[in-house]
Amino acid sequence: DAKTTQPPSMDCAEGRAANLPCNHSTISGNEYVYWYRQIHSQGPQYIIHGLKNNETNEMASLIITEDRKSSTLILPHATLRDTAVYYCIVRIYGSGNTGKLIFGQGTTLQVKP
Amino acid sequence: NAGVTQTPKFQVLKTGQSMTLQCAQDMNHEYMSWYRQDPGMGLRLIHYSVGAGITDQGEVPNGYNVSRSTTEDFPLRLLSAAPSQTSVYFCASSYSGVLNTEAFFGQGTRLTVV
Repeated sequence: DAKTTQPPSMDCAEGRAANLPCNHSTISGNEYVYWYRQIHSQGPQYIIHGLKNNETNEMASLIITEDRKSSTLILPHATLRDTAVYYCIVRIYGSGNTGKLIFGQGTTLQVKP
Repeated sequence: NAGVTQTPKFQVLKTGQSMTLQCAQDMNHEYMSWYRQDPGMGLRLIHYSVGAGITDQGEVPNGYNVSRSTTEDFPLRLLSAAPSQTSVYFCASSYSGVLNTEAFFGQGTRLTVV
């Protein structure tokens, strides 16, 4: 699985959009980009994933660059409850999928009032 | 639907003691994994399983054993606890196959070895 690089920490004002970047320059054609978050040492929570197209769900949007070497997770209207550690993970799909996830250090997002 | 259930939530062990951390899921997921998280760190993969009877090592397997006799359960055994195994342990499960689906995590077991 390809490695990812994220900034260690970011701040965001409440109500504003939070844009969390992730670099995955060695990503392969059969790897997806996943985002999880961990609130207050709870178990990680799935947010969104994508292959090459932009994705949106009720929690967030995922923008993947055309060359797939980087991506951005967007929380459109951050609230205090979005304060968490956000992990960007690259994971193989198809017959090579084993369900395991390789976590990096993540980005600690602090949403401020 | 309980999801992924880990027991116990908290445990204190003395050095050298053994114990088993329990993980059960009721979603008929084939894939299950164990992770540990040390303070200020990301999660690290200990062992994983792609189905009943099949297990493999992750990034930090030393000092831990696993088995997968049923689809639902994936216990993690510490044979002789050491202070270096003080950590928070998370179990996760997900569907298998070509579908890329999310992993579901338990709420963790906080283990202290003194």
